[in-house]
Amino acid sequence: SQTIHQWPATLVQPVGSPLSLECTVEGTSNPNLYWYRQAAGRGLQLLFYSVGIGQISSEVPQNLSASRPQDRQFILSSKKLLLSDSGFYLCAWSPISSAGYTFGSGTRLTVV
Amino acid sequence: GIQVEQSPPDLILQEGANSTLRCNFSDSVNNLQWFHQNPWGQLINLFYIPSGTKQNGRLSATTVATERYSLLYISSSQTTDSGVYFCGAGGTSYGKLTFGQGTILTVHP
Repeated sequence: SQTIHQWPATLVQPVGSPLSLECTVEGTSNPNLYWYRQAAGRGLQLLFYSVGIGQISSEVPQNLSASRPQDRQFILSSKKLLLSDSGFYLCAWSPISSAGYTFGSGTRLTVV
Repeated sequence: GIQVEQSPPDLILQEGANSTLRCNFSDSVNNLQWFHQNPWGQLINLFYIPSGTKQNGRLSATTVATERYSLLYISSSQTTDSGVYFCGAGGTSYGKLTFGQGTILTVHP
């Protein structure tokens, strides 16, 4: 069966520090991968999506970047965090574009 | 892009009651999904339903794509149904979803 792993679960980082959040999927090949951010517990905003290795599309211009170094690995990064980067970050995958999502358990990031 | 509106924003029920949550979207969609977010933040996919009707236990969903809305029905609600319900809608572009602001459901015993 397919599973998705996301870590860390919580993170407190100072302003200006770097960030790396990792998401991996098991039990499937060539999944569509997505990073979403949820602020204040309401509404999810799509940040990045990927339909293959090295193929990253950004939805919102911001302080973040994403990479997909392996088929089932999706990484969200920042060189210097801002206070406004705080939020709940969720990774999701789907087998194809016309199928349901499975979300990871999320990372709660607080920038102080 | 697609705009998604959910109603009501908040809903309080007694255990055993039925409820209907609504999701309106501004454009034609090929992807419509309903999710439940539990108090720990985990999002669980309830339905992938770009059109038609599906049922899973006490939950069912109907999407009328031509009229640009989807409904989620919860029957005989239980306290474990509490949480936030989101719908996400998208077109043909790589499975991307635009989410509504959610409906916060509270079920009292």
